[in-house]
Amino acid sequence: EAQVTQNPRYLITVTGKKLTVTCSQNMNHEYMSWYRQDPGLGLRQIYYSMNVEVTDKGDVPEGYKVSRKEKRNFPLILESPSPNQTSLYFCASSLWVPGQGSYEQYFGPGTRLTVT
Amino acid sequence: AQKVTQAQTEISVVEKEDVTLDCVYETRDTTYYLFWYKQPPSGELVFLIRRNSFDEQNEISGRYSWNFQKSTSSFNFTITASQVVDSAVYFCALSDTGTASKLTFGTGTRLQVTL
Repeated sequence: EAQVTQNPRYLITVTGKKLTVTCSQNMNHEYMSWYRQDPGLGLRQIYYSMNVEVTDKGDVPEGYKVSRKEKRNFPLILESPSPNQTSLYFCASSLWVPGQGSYEQYFGPGTRLTVT
Repeated sequence: AQKVTQAQTEISVVEKEDVTLDCVYETRDTTYYLFWYKQPPSGELVFLIRRNSFDEQNEISGRYSWNFQKSTSSFNFTITASQVVDSAVYFCALSDTGTASKLTFGTGTRLQVTL
C-alpha cells in the first residue's frame, strides 16, 4: 500500500529539548516536503527536497532542519524547540517531473507537537 | 507571489442541501495547478482533485463537482446532496511548475453537515 508514515503521531516536549520527527514514503517519490498547520493559517511549507541531498527552505524554515540521505526518508529536526513551534506537522511526498509541476501530494497522518 | 483565498471560514448546512465552497487564487504563472484536499475530524489530508491551468473543463465525481474559471481566478467546489460524512475542513491549494513545486494553501473552510 502506497503510504507516507510519520513518527511520532503525538509528542509533548519542553522548550530546548532537541527532537526529530521521522517521515518515510514507500512510493519512490523524488519530492518530499514538510508543512505545518496552524489555526487560521492553513498549511505552510517548512522545507522541501527534490531528491537525495537536495533540500531547500519553504516559507517558514526558521527553527527547523531537515536532511535527505535516502530517497525514502525525510526527517524534520527541531534543535531547540520553542512554544511557537506547537503545531500540527505534515510530511508529504509526490512524483515530480521538472517543468510539469506538482503531482498529487500524498500526506502523512500528521504529528501533533506541543512544546511547553 | 502566489495566494489562495477561501473567504468562507465556516459553513453549516442541513443534510441533503447543496453547498459550494469558494476558492480564489492569485498567481503570475501561466501554468499552474489547483488542488482540493479534505481534512476530516480524524486529521488526515485526503486528496480530492488536481486541475491544471489549461484545462477549464468542469469536473464531476459522484456528488462532488468543481468549477474552474480562469477569468475570475476561481476554482469552486460543490457538494450536491450533502451528507454528515462530508463534515470536514476543505483546503484549496495552488502549485506552479517552478522548482519548488510547493502547495500554497488557503486557510480552509470548515463544513458542518447536520441531520
